[in-house]
Amino acid sequence: GAVVSQHPSRVICKSGTSVKIECRSLDFQATTMFWYRQFPKKSLMLMATSNEGSKATYEQGVEKDKFLINHASLTLSTLTVTSAHPEDSSFYICSAGQGAGGYTFGSGTRLTVV
Amino acid sequence: AQTVTQSQPEMSVQEAETVTLSCTYDTSESNYYLFWYKQPPSRQMILVIRQEAYKQQNATENRFSVNFQKAAKSFSLKISDSQLGDTAMYFCAFMISGNQFYFGTGTSLTVIP
Repeated sequence: GAVVSQHPSRVICKSGTSVKIECRSLDFQATTMFWYRQFPKKSLMLMATSNEGSKATYEQGVEKDKFLINHASLTLSTLTVTSAHPEDSSFYICSAGQGAGGYTFGSGTRLTVV
Repeated sequence: AQTVTQSQPEMSVQEAETVTLSCTYDTSESNYYLFWYKQPPSRQMILVIRQEAYKQQNATENRFSVNFQKAAKSFSLKISDSQLGDTAMYFCAFMISGNQFYFGTGTSLTVIP
């Protein structure tokens, strides 16, 4: 089946630095990828839709200058948390698919900003 | 707007018994997909079962089955012969083809040995 690789699985960074999270579709091409954020014991909240070759579409309330998304190829989307602060600490998950309900999730990235 | 409601924040079931998790949704779309995802402590989202709205027959995957009532916009998950490995957070999700998932708030299921 379709496999989505997300890296890193865990990252700790200092406040004020930037962190990049990668989401790769390993055995298929994905023109669209999604980035979610999940708080402890909460549901997944869609942050943005990543479109290959064009600008990402951000959900209301998500700062596009803080959460930079780049989808430069059909197999890779990256989320960069810029000037991270402790309140950005969270679990971030990407998903990718081939349409018609065939979406797969990455294994997630636990970001801790200290 | 699409919404997904899971009214049971927590549930428990005895090992080998059957449990049903509830999910209702609201949409004006006629063609869509419904999913149940499992999120164990590892936090990996695992697809449990999927249902196309245009199909009347309820989806089944081994011990997992759904009761899809399109008119009532209800999509419950039945887990038969519950196993300890079924302990996880379960999310009901809705999707219009090619777009993002809309997730419910989740049901934490504990299987008791």
